[in-house]
Amino acid sequence: NAGVTQTPKFRVLKTGQSMTLLCAQDMNHEYMYWYRQDPGMGLRLIHYSVGEGTTAKGEVPDGYNVSRLKKQNFLLGLESAAPSQTSVYFCASSYSGSGHVRGYTFGSGTRLTVV
Amino acid sequence: AQSVTQPDIHITVSEGASLELRCNYSYGATPYLFWYVQSPGQGLQLLLKYFSGDTLVQGIKGFEAEFKRSQSSFNLRKPSVHWSDAAEYFCAVGPATGGGADGPTFGKGTHLIIQP
Repeated sequence: NAGVTQTPKFRVLKTGQSMTLLCAQDMNHEYMYWYRQDPGMGLRLIHYSVGEGTTAKGEVPDGYNVSRLKKQNFLLGLESAAPSQTSVYFCASSYSGSGHVRGYTFGSGTRLTVV
Repeated sequence: AQSVTQPDIHITVSEGASLELRCNYSYGATPYLFWYVQSPGQGLQLLLKYFSGDTLVQGIKGFEAEFKRSQSSFNLRKPSVHWSDAAEYFCAVGPATGGGADGPTFGKGTHLIIQP
């Protein structure tokens, strides 16, 4: 199993450009998440999804949009990139069954630089 | 609102010495607690997790953590550290049940330095 795969691994954008980060999981997990990691800030939740066709805002959603058209994919979009969005982005997924969330599987991250 | 505090930004430990990384959490229901490790330029690796049962949890790489409800703490320990343990360590608290699936909240991390 590949687990959670993030594409691309690295990207450099110019201010104002747009891009989409792709997260794909092959574990049939219901829940998926996008985090950003900044030095000294830990990981902060951007958006999450509890199922196909549903998304919700996390702690730091401004400047990002998401979509979950298929259960296995969770896309994170930046419509007009800003230098403040320079960060490492992590996707995660989790299974929920029998009333318990059974831990989270993280992707290896996407390092995004906005110049 | 849930939150996690890791009081130590940096910790330096001699190789072979014991280690304790502190984590305090605030959560309105029964917490689901995690410790992750991140090596430079790498992703997150789960060391251990706790939801219920024995309050002393064993994880990978010789790590363990103890849940203390009265102190709202979930400290990570290792009896003897190795140079390869140098990394960033994150404590996290998350929803355990499907009704609160907004993902775990992370602390800001503790950077572990190992002295030879």
